[in-house]
Amino acid sequence: EAQVTQNPRYLITVTGKKLTVTCSQNMNHEYMSWYRQDPGLGLRQIYYSMNVEVTDKGDVPEGYKVSRKEKRNFPLILESPSPNQTSLYFCASSARDSPTGELFFGEGSRLTVL
Amino acid sequence: SQQGEEDPQALSIQEGENATMNCSYKTSINNLQWYRQNSGRGLVHLILIRSNEREKHSGRLRVTLDTSKKSSSLLITASRAADTASYFCAPLRAGRRALTFGSGTRLQVQP
Repeated sequence: EAQVTQNPRYLITVTGKKLTVTCSQNMNHEYMSWYRQDPGLGLRQIYYSMNVEVTDKGDVPEGYKVSRKEKRNFPLILESPSPNQTSLYFCASSARDSPTGELFFGEGSRLTVL
Repeated sequence: SQQGEEDPQALSIQEGENATMNCSYKTSINNLQWYRQNSGRGLVHLILIRSNEREKHSGRLRVTLDTSKKSSSLLITASRAADTASYFCAPLRAGRRALTFGSGTRLQVQP
């Protein structure tokens, strides 16, 4: 089954404790992206990747890192999480090297930073 | 920001009625996509309309695009309780590589 898988789905952590949210897709997509969703603010793009070893900042990259060492994986790293990073995070992928086509989303990772 | 702005923010209708949601954007676009999100779940692509298209249909969905007014609408006909969800438009500006999303329209279909 074609899917984008995120882990963990739920996480409660404390300020400053490094964490990684993994994202994996099995559709051989070139394009992958991370979004955060906050009430009243919609979805905002954090980082995206056009292909392996190619990443770019989105609209709200501060406090986040990403890597794209393999085509299928695009982990989101929070080196020193802060409470303002409490949010619902989504990973998405697309079949082409630019998202002119359909984006496939994961089920989301709800992160709480205390 | 080139994100679309959906209107209304919330809409409540009875089952069987039609639901219309609108989207406005600010810049020239390559295409515009509509997505659906069930509460707390990932977004699901519904339909894409290109800048040179004016109307597109998919099942009970009808999307229109007016590039002169920089607006789009999504019509869901004969709505069902299962259509209850948030709906987002995502305009893609020519030359840009990323979709951006607004806050969506929350649709409640009463059985």
